[in-house]
Amino acid sequence: DGGITQSPKYLFRKEGQNVTLSCEQNLNHDAMYWYRQDPGQGLRLIYYSQIVNDFQKGDIAEGYSVSREKKESFPLTVTSAQKNPTAFYLCASIKGGNQPQHFGDGTRLSIL
Amino acid sequence: EDQVTQSPEALRLQEGESSSLNCSYTVSGLRGLFWYRQDPGKGPEFLFTLYSAGEEKEKERLKATLTKKESFLHITAPKPEDSATYLCAVQAGSSGYSTLTFGKGTMLLVSP
Repeated sequence: DGGITQSPKYLFRKEGQNVTLSCEQNLNHDAMYWYRQDPGQGLRLIYYSQIVNDFQKGDIAEGYSVSREKKESFPLTVTSAQKNPTAFYLCASIKGGNQPQHFGDGTRLSIL
Repeated sequence: EDQVTQSPEALRLQEGESSSLNCSYTVSGLRGLFWYRQDPGKGPEFLFTLYSAGEEKEKERLKATLTKKESFLHITAPKPEDSATYLCAVQAGSSGYSTLTFGKGTMLLVSP
């Protein structure tokens, strides 16, 4: 079955450490997105990518980095510069401009 | 700046008690309005896309409608399994893979 796979489901970060969240899709979608969700808040866009080797900053990109070396993969790195990384991170992808975004089941990141 | 406001923040219904969720929006050039359902610890699941005022979509006990300023998600005779957070998002812009702006969601609890 086609879908979006996010891993790991739970992740813990130590102070000063960078961590990478994985997002893989086998839907042959062109564009991919990363969102952050905090309790009682809407989804906020971190980064998105429309094609391989290209990506754009979203509303809250500071302290995060991404890469898009393959169409199927869009990993997100939470760097030590992100001072409040505890959140639920969601990856999404889309086939065409007006199509709905499809989401993975998220990674919950916590601080040790 | 695009804005999406959902109300109420939380809603508790008895099984069979119909009600509506509201999504008010301000956007320059609406391309689409999306409704999602999100269960705890999961990614959002797509429900509907509405593109123009007057449009309606239905799926089982859910019906989504759209005006020029707001959208409603009507829930008819809800069941406990309809309990979830319902998210509304708008897409603006003229073309391409434009981004979504999400509301904070309405948490629905349906009691037996």
